[in-house]
Amino acid sequence: EIVLTQSPGTLSLSPGERATLSCRASQSVSNNYLAWYQQKPGQAPRLLIYNTSIRATGIPDRFTGSGSGTDFTLTISRLEPEDFAVYYCQQYGSSPQTFGQGTKVEIK
Amino acid sequence: QLQLQESGPGLVKPSETLSLTCTVSGGSFNSNTHYWAWIRQPPGKGLEWIGSVYYSGSTYYNPSLKSRVTISADESKKQFSLQMTSVTAADSAVYYCARSVWSWSGCFDHWGQGSLVTASS
Repeated sequence: EIVLTQSPGTLSLSPGERATLSCRASQSVSNNYLAWYQQKPGQAPRLLIYNTSIRATGIPDRFTGSGSGTDFTLTISRLEPEDFAVYYCQQYGSSPQTFGQGTKVEIK
Repeated sequence: QLQLQESGPGLVKPSETLSLTCTVSGGSFNSNTHYWAWIRQPPGKGLEWIGSVYYSGSTYYNPSLKSRVTISADESKKQFSLQMTSVTAADSAVYYCARSVWSWSGCFDHWGQGSLVTASS
């Protein structure tokens, strides 16, 4: 099974700053089938990005996904107050599909 | 607007069977481009895919749970269900149902609100 390692564990930033989240896979992700989700306390995850770089419906363009192979990045260009949350990456190119352990973006 | 809603007991005794149902509304259940999935999240921890089902009944399971899990679909009711046998405290988690896009191994574009299940005597 592919293990996804997210870093950092916690990112402390101020509104308006740029956030860069990393997701590293233990082996190459087939077809770059990698997604990113946002989860706020008490809520279900929300799909942000799929197929590495395609924004899901209704997701603002300040969210950008990039990468290939084993290294993937989610960038939030300018943090809005509602962006402070936990972010998970997921690979679905190999069975079983797996998730990273999450990166918490908190207000500095 | 597609909606998914989990239902089932919030408390299960150790060694017994966990049973949850997800009801789909506001959209198609028998699309040939979507599968239906169960995902769980222990308190304060990450996400784990449990398994997926096609509307016709084909199933796919996480090998780590396969021996204890059964997922089924009822097209007429627009529901799919999860059964997990021999539960332990380690199975205590929020259980989400979700729609998987394109494949049983896909990303999840719609989620239920989640159902907290605690395994305790």
